[in-house]
Amino acid sequence: KAGVTQTPRYLIKTRGQQVTLSCSPISGHRSVSWYQQTPGQGLQFLFEYFSETQRNKGNFPGRFSGRQFSNSRSEMNVSTLELGDSALYLCASSLMGEGETQYFGPGTRLLVL
Amino acid sequence: QQQVKQSPQSLIVQKGGISIINCAYENTAFDYFPWYQQFPGKGPALLIAIRPDVSEKKEGRFTISFNKSAKQFSLHIMDSQPGDSATYFCAASYSGTYKYIFGTGTRLKVLA
Repeated sequence: KAGVTQTPRYLIKTRGQQVTLSCSPISGHRSVSWYQQTPGQGLQFLFEYFSETQRNKGNFPGRFSGRQFSNSRSEMNVSTLELGDSALYLCASSLMGEGETQYFGPGTRLLVL
Repeated sequence: QQQVKQSPQSLIVQKGGISIINCAYENTAFDYFPWYQQFPGKGPALLIAIRPDVSEKKEGRFTISFNKSAKQFSLHIMDSQPGDSATYFCAASYSGTYKYIFGTGTRLKVLA
């Protein structure tokens, strides 16, 4: 089975712009979670989707949003980018999303200038 | 209460030695405790996971020890190898939250 794929792998944006990141989960997995990883804050949960519904959301401002499509693929959007949004954004998928292994993609490295 | 505290922040071990990383939690509702290994430029990869109904789980050179009463769990890497040099994260989750709470990570370096 192919693993979790994320596109693009690298992005450079300037402050005030917006960005959309994409994630394709492992075939058959219906839960997709997003995490932000930074050296200072570590891995922090952004949100989780299952069957196109957001079931949980972390403590991030409303500039961070996401969605999931009927094929379980997911996108996350960050609007009005700030310097502090520079991070590795990781997507993880699992079958049902509860108390089970999450499989991570390689991440999208976002640099905001 | 949602935190998972991980130590040490960094660890240097000689080849063939034992690497030990510890995590502690407060929320007794946590019921799934995975460990992830992350190499530079890669996403975290699951190493081993445990549920609170067992006190120890071993997979190859990797062992999780779990102490429910102390609310602590640890990762032991036996016969550590230079290829084990990576960052290790513990995590915890519980039913109904659909998310992991991660520890802050331990950067392990195994000297040849």
